[in-house]
Amino acid sequence: DIQMTQSPSSLSASVGDRVTITCRASQGVSSSLAWYQQKPEKAPKSLIFSASNLQSGVPSRFSGSGSGTDFTLTISGLQPEDFATYYCQQYNSYPITFGQGTRLEIK
Amino acid sequence: EVQLLESGGGLVLPGGSLRLSCAASGFTFSGYAMNWVRQAPGKGLEWVSAISGSGGDTYYADSVKGRFTISRDNSKNTLSLQMNSLRADDTAMYYCAKEKGEVPDFWGQGTLVTVSS
Repeated sequence: DIQMTQSPSSLSASVGDRVTITCRASQGVSSSLAWYQQKPEKAPKSLIFSASNLQSGVPSRFSGSGSGTDFTLTISGLQPEDFATYYCQQYNSYPITFGQGTRLEIK
Repeated sequence: EVQLLESGGGLVLPGGSLRLSCAASGFTFSGYAMNWVRQAPGKGLEWVSAISGSGGDTYYADSVKGRFTISRDNSKNTLSLQMNSLRADDTAMYYCAKEKGEVPDFWGQGTLVTVSS
């Protein structure tokens, strides 16, 4: 199985900050990488697919990059509604696997 | 508007069975693969199972293989997950999710399964 490792596990930032979350795969997944946002007691929301493509309706302050084994999610100009937990997911091969999550908190 | 409504969760004894359902609307159900993803209390996301749009191809996590069965009824726009031989570590919120381009792009609100004596 492909292991997905996110860093950091938690992050404190302020409104307006630029933050970057990284995701590393234990083996290459090409560009088959997605990012999700989850707020407490809510279902996950899809943000990015194919490593760098924004889902419809996702603000442009979110961006993704990478391919192979190393990926990043960047949020430029944090908004209050962005404080949540973020997960990466590889879908290059079954079983689909998620990173352990990165909790983004208000400083 | 896409809607996914899960049901069937509840409290079940270890070793017991439960059948989850996901009612879909707002899109051509048979045209999309579907997934089940779960989240144990306070933990991260774990993919459970997927099924192709036709229902002909199914995939499972090793943790549930042989115990869970995914199926779909395209005439009723319904996704199901039959869960047998349930264990305490199956306790989780179970989400159904619609795929678009191999990525779960829309998720239901989930149904809670608790396995406890």
